[in-house]
Amino acid sequence: GAGVSQSPRYKVTKRGQDVALRCDPISGHVSLYWYRQALGQGPEFLTYFNYEAQQDKSGLPNDRFSAERPEGSISTLTIQRTEQRDSAMYRCASSSSGGATNTGELFFGEGSRLTVL
Amino acid sequence: GIQVEQSPPDLILQEGANSTLRCNFSDSVNNLQWFHQNPWGQLINLFYIPSGTKQNGRLSATTVATERYSLLYISSSQTTDSGVYFCAVPTDSWGKLQFGAGTQVVVTP
Repeated sequence: GAGVSQSPRYKVTKRGQDVALRCDPISGHVSLYWYRQALGQGPEFLTYFNYEAQQDKSGLPNDRFSAERPEGSISTLTIQRTEQRDSAMYRCASSSSGGATNTGELFFGEGSRLTVL
Repeated sequence: GIQVEQSPPDLILQEGANSTLRCNFSDSVNNLQWFHQNPWGQLINLFYIPSGTKQNGRLSATTVATERYSLLYISSSQTTDSGVYFCAVPTDSWGKLQFGAGTQVVVTP
């Protein structure tokens, strides 16, 4: 597609429910990143994929968070047993460059706003 | 890890005014990006500027990599320039970006 597409744009869920957030990167982009942004703060790194390989998941806050990119294109970020503290904007970014010497420009999607009641 | 500091934290401008936003980083980098988060929450790419100077309309940016800072200039500001401006630099060779805390800009008519 023309840009990074994320869905849903808005998600309201009850505490304890599982949620899945989807990211469709720019066509052909090798690298895919997930970020989380709390209100009034800058985006914070969660995890990174180079093609289908999850190279870095150091930013995932705990084991309720997981991500996959099985075919090296679309990615899903899953949060199990959601808690109120998980409420935030979840952003996906992609880059045409990849590998261990990536200096490419990152392009962000419009984000998925998650609210946990 | 690398530290990214932006200043000022907040800026109020009258329409038509010029301003300079600063981004300092604590280690050498091979990439730097400036973003604008508009009031609707979109994060828009402004500049990819590892070094040197670039211009895009009323906006321009300069990165002096050897001195570890970058500047974003806004000239003849308009109300549509309101929002939060972030700079970001990679923290590892995979291109993972570390964001600064941002500069909140409000342009009044």
